Amino acid sequence: NAGVTQTPKFQVLKTGQSMTLQCAQDMNHEYMSWYRQDPGMGLRLIHYSVGAGITDQGEVPNGYNVSRSTTEDFPLRLLSAAPSQTSVYFCASRHTSGGNNEQFFGPGTRLTVL
Amino acid sequence: GNSVTQMEGPVTLSEEAFLTINCTYTATGYPSLFWYVQYPGEGLQLLLKATKADDKGSNKGFEATYRKETTSFHLEKGSVQVSDSAVYFCALPPGTSYGKLTFGQGTILTVHP
Repeated sequence: NAGVTQTPKFQVLKTGQSMTLQCAQDMNHEYMSWYRQDPGMGLRLIHYSVGAGITDQGEVPNGYNVSRSTTEDFPLRLLSAAPSQTSVYFCASRHTSGGNNEQFFGPGTRLTVL
Repeated sequence: GNSVTQMEGPVTLSEEAFLTINCTYTATGYPSLFWYVQYPGEGLQLLLKATKADDKGSNKGFEATYRKETTSFHLEKGSVQVSDSAVYFCALPPGTSYGKLTFGQGTILTVHP
């Protein structure tokens, strides 16, 4: 198993540009989520999905869109990048049954918005 | 709601020193408890877990005991190495199928030779 994969690893954008961060998992996990990690702020949940076709907002959803057309993929879209979105982004996934399952994380995408 | 309080960092130690990182939690019921580790430039990975009260999770020389009476899950290691330098997160799973994982704020550990 490849686990949770993310692309790209690094990205530099100019203010106003759009881009999509890719996330895929091969563990047949129902639950997938996106976090951002900023210095001194820990991990904050952006959006999550509990299955194909179902998404919901987390703590900091503004400026980001998601969709879930397949179980495996959960892309994160920045429609008009802002410097405040400079951060490290992590995708994660887990099974939903029981509520005590380990969550698996991808290696992260380091985004800089100029 | 669920919450996790983790000791403030950063923590700086010399190699072979003893490590304790405190973690206390507030939760409904008796969930599992996790410690995640994030090495420089990498994503988070599960370090150890405990699924019920008095359970001890262990991995890579690290240990943590699930203490229901003190609602704590402190992380310990008897002799740290330079390679243990990382950020450590205490975490509380949601206990429900669709809830979110609750993280502590993270503790940066730096180990010097």
